[in-house]
Amino acid sequence: EVQLFESGGGLVQPGGSLRLSCAASGSGIIFSNYVMIWVRQAPGKGLTWVSAISGGSVATYYVDSVKGRFTISRDNSKNTLYLQMNSLRAEDTAVYFCAAYYYGGTGFYTIKKPFDFWGQGALVAVSS
Amino acid sequence: EIVMTQSPATLSVSPGERATLSCRASQSVNDNLAWYQQKPGQAPRLLIYGASTRATGIPARFSGSGSGTEFTLTISSLQSEDFAVYYCQQYDNWPPWTFGQGTKVEIK
Repeated sequence: EVQLFESGGGLVQPGGSLRLSCAASGSGIIFSNYVMIWVRQAPGKGLTWVSAISGGSVATYYVDSVKGRFTISRDNSKNTLYLQMNSLRAEDTAVYFCAAYYYGGTGFYTIKKPFDFWGQGALVAVSS
Repeated sequence: EIVMTQSPATLSVSPGERATLSCRASQSVNDNLAWYQQKPGQAPRLLIYGASTRATGIPARFSGSGSGTEFTLTISSLQSEDFAVYYCQQYDNWPPWTFGQGTKVEIK
């Protein structure tokens, strides 16, 4: 079982920056064995996948709307996932969830799994 | 990108009744389809994966079926704690991982 806890949300002006963190914990977990993901939910709307990163950070992916503005990263020594968000827009306003699934550290490109574990979410509000 | 379409948007059901939710994929996702439950102010919770396998701790009243492009989530006898929004998600062809727009199950 993996527990995820997001932090770093808040109110930011359009064009500003914010960095979200997601700390993972759990008995005996090896953080690098998990694919880590960011999913966001605009107010009153559905779920949208934002970004994903493989265990060793070799592979990163982004939804088109955030490419060039957001950067996903992880520090396996700290069991922590990050999302650096730059050039923020009003349409980035959402609750940002981190999520994860176990893949064992190999076969990243071929494994197909749902998002087993979710954090409680962090609210990012972009407004002047 | 695979587009996931859920129907209906809202389902009004009385406690104890059966609820049937549908999810359609714009192309085959084989059985790489998950269902999540989300209650207000909470994170989504994985209910079903592999189209029909219940996740750990999920009651047997939740069942999933389908393959390819057509999927169904059935709640056999709605309990008070089941009133929530349900999302389907495909994880067959990624990125992107895509979700349906959700079905809200409300008390009739």
